[in-house]
Amino acid sequence: AQSVAQPEDQVNVAEGNPLTVKCTYSVSGNPYLFWYVQYPNRGLQFLLKYITGDNLVKGSYGFEAEFNKSQTSFHLKKPSALVSDSALYFCAVRDRGSARQLTFGSGTQLTVLP
Amino acid sequence: NAGVMQNPRHLVRRRGQEARLRCSPMKGHSHVYWYRQLPEEGLKFMVYLQKENIIDESGMPKERFSAEFPKEGPSILRIQQVVRGDSAAYFCASSPGREPDTQYFGPGTRLTVL
Repeated sequence: AQSVAQPEDQVNVAEGNPLTVKCTYSVSGNPYLFWYVQYPNRGLQFLLKYITGDNLVKGSYGFEAEFNKSQTSFHLKKPSALVSDSALYFCAVRDRGSARQLTFGSGTQLTVLP
Repeated sequence: NAGVMQNPRHLVRRRGQEARLRCSPMKGHSHVYWYRQLPEEGLKFMVYLQKENIIDESGMPKERFSAEFPKEGPSILRIQQVVRGDSAAYFCASSPGREPDTQYFGPGTRLTVL
């Protein structure tokens, strides 16, 4: 079985400050890891994914995520937050060797304060 | 290249009626996934289809729910005899099917059961 935990329901950060949205995962094999962002009344937009190789993955809109195998974490980061980054962020995982469906975390609401 | 299309965007049904949700995948994508998002929750996998085949329906309720992806036309998620608990946002995603695979999501259909 695979699972994802996003321990923070809400993250607030001031504009211009660095932001981190946390994610930990559990899979039986090796993971594919994803971050998606959801704006109000919209679908999910793909931000970035970890497949293999470099543990630091760069994605859209200046976001990046760091894969840490020993801590089974895949935290989303951005060096300087924008007000427009305010949205709901979802981490997702799937086991490489098994089914294609994604397992999502419960989401973290990011609010960037001007 | 148009993204994943879903229609209708909003659907209101009375208890006992049928709901039909449509999903047209991105051009070149042959894999379709359906997810359900209940209020204040993350997305839960329902079903994974390829053209004319259901690959994995482990997330589908055993009764009243069905899905298809015909050779021609969109994928359809059908809910018979809807109940208030079916009220949710239903998201479709598509992918090209080549590993490592990334799923791209549509805008969703928001179903309200009165």
